[in-house]
Amino acid sequence: DQQVKQNSPSLSVQEGRISILNCDYTNSMFDYFLWYKKYPAEGPTFLISISSIKDKNEDGRFTVFLNKSAKHLSLHIVPSQPGDSAVYFCAASGRTGNQFYFGTGTSLTVIP
Amino acid sequence: GAVVSQHPSRVICKSGTSVKIECRSLDFQATTMFWYRQFPKQSLMLMATSNEGSKATYEQGVEKDKFLINHASLTLSTLTVTSAHPEDSSFYICSARWGFTEAFFGQGTRLTVV
Repeated sequence: DQQVKQNSPSLSVQEGRISILNCDYTNSMFDYFLWYKKYPAEGPTFLISISSIKDKNEDGRFTVFLNKSAKHLSLHIVPSQPGDSAVYFCAASGRTGNQFYFGTGTSLTVIP
Repeated sequence: GAVVSQHPSRVICKSGTSVKIECRSLDFQATTMFWYRQFPKQSLMLMATSNEGSKATYEQGVEKDKFLINHASLTLSTLTVTSAHPEDSSFYICSARWGFTEAFFGQGTRLTVV
């Protein structure tokens, strides 16, 4: 039972344009959401997070938006750079559960 | 960000032997550590969650007798793959967090069983 879903397995974007990665979740008890970036044969690297008390969090080129009513979050990268090419995972956590649940990942390719 | 060190990064072992993977939080005390497995082109599959000083909680379908997890201290957790078989070959990743913050991941371990 996949509680966190990323329905787009891959995304290609031109350098300088905006990348939008989407994530949906089903468990209304989740209250903390994160995005991770992963290169092949490496562990994921934390990018940005958002608590359910917010609907937007921004850090440099990365912005995460949370729509609790739709159980949807998205990661915006602008401007996109070739070094952003990686697999991006969204994850969700609830204070009662302690563990993180990961989506299936979206492979982003930024074309120079 | 916080640093989580995982060792070894690569290991090749013979079928039937056991392999131990270490996960250390270098600059913080991890109240919880997680072990994941990643198959090619697939998401991270949570195997188990461990809290310091208590038994690990395994996800459904994960054999606790095969994947032994020990969380002896607030900075160290180990995963031992016992009686390894070729189908255990995979990429294993640990992560650690304190309280309800984001989790930080180790570099991962590529296990190949021959």
